[in-house]
Amino acid sequence: EPEVTQTPSHQVTQMGQEVILRCVPISNHLYFYWYRQILGQKVEFLVSFYNNEISEKSEIFDDQFSVERPDGSNFTLKIRSTKLEDSAMYFCASSEVQALSYEQYFGPGTRLTVT
Amino acid sequence: AQTVTQSQPEMSVQEAETVTLSCTYDTSESNYYLFWYKQPPSRQMILVIRQEAYKQQNATENRFSVNFQKAAKSFSLKISDSQLGDTAMYFCAFMKMRDDKIIFGKGTRLHILP
Repeated sequence: EPEVTQTPSHQVTQMGQEVILRCVPISNHLYFYWYRQILGQKVEFLVSFYNNEISEKSEIFDDQFSVERPDGSNFTLKIRSTKLEDSAMYFCASSEVQALSYEQYFGPGTRLTVT
Repeated sequence: AQTVTQSQPEMSVQEAETVTLSCTYDTSESNYYLFWYKQPPSRQMILVIRQEAYKQQNATENRFSVNFQKAAKSFSLKISDSQLGDTAMYFCAFMKMRDDKIIFGKGTRLHILP
């Protein structure tokens, strides 16, 4: 069964450093998403991406964040200057474009630890 | 704004028992989707079951079923014949039709005891 993959599984970085989290969505999916889960809290939507542009973003997704689909398979989330409060689990998800199928398939997540 | 509330932070049941997880939500939308996601210790989010609001029939997936009460804005998950592998965090979630984002509740941590 096709699945969303994410790398790395765990990233440790120092405050102020840039990080790039990578995702490979399911190959025939056209909508891509990033969510964040701070430890012990609920999963929160960050951004959605379609047709090479952001379609929706949350208040969390400020200028420090950016997303990109650099090639036909990868979807990345960049945090320019990490803060301690960026420590969280980051989930990538993808979905098909058909109107009747809005199921978002989630990847296993990348645990980001900012020290 | 839409909100999802799970009033049970943690639950424990014996293996083979039936357990019901509660969820309520608030929305002014008439068409939307509701979901239950499972997050085991491995942390991967897995879709357990989905309900379209325009369908009156409650969704069922093997041992998992929902009680969808649209007027009451209630969406509970029933797990029958619970198994040790059902131990996980369960998130109730909402999505407007043709929207991008899923809105999650805070989750219920379910422990299945041997």
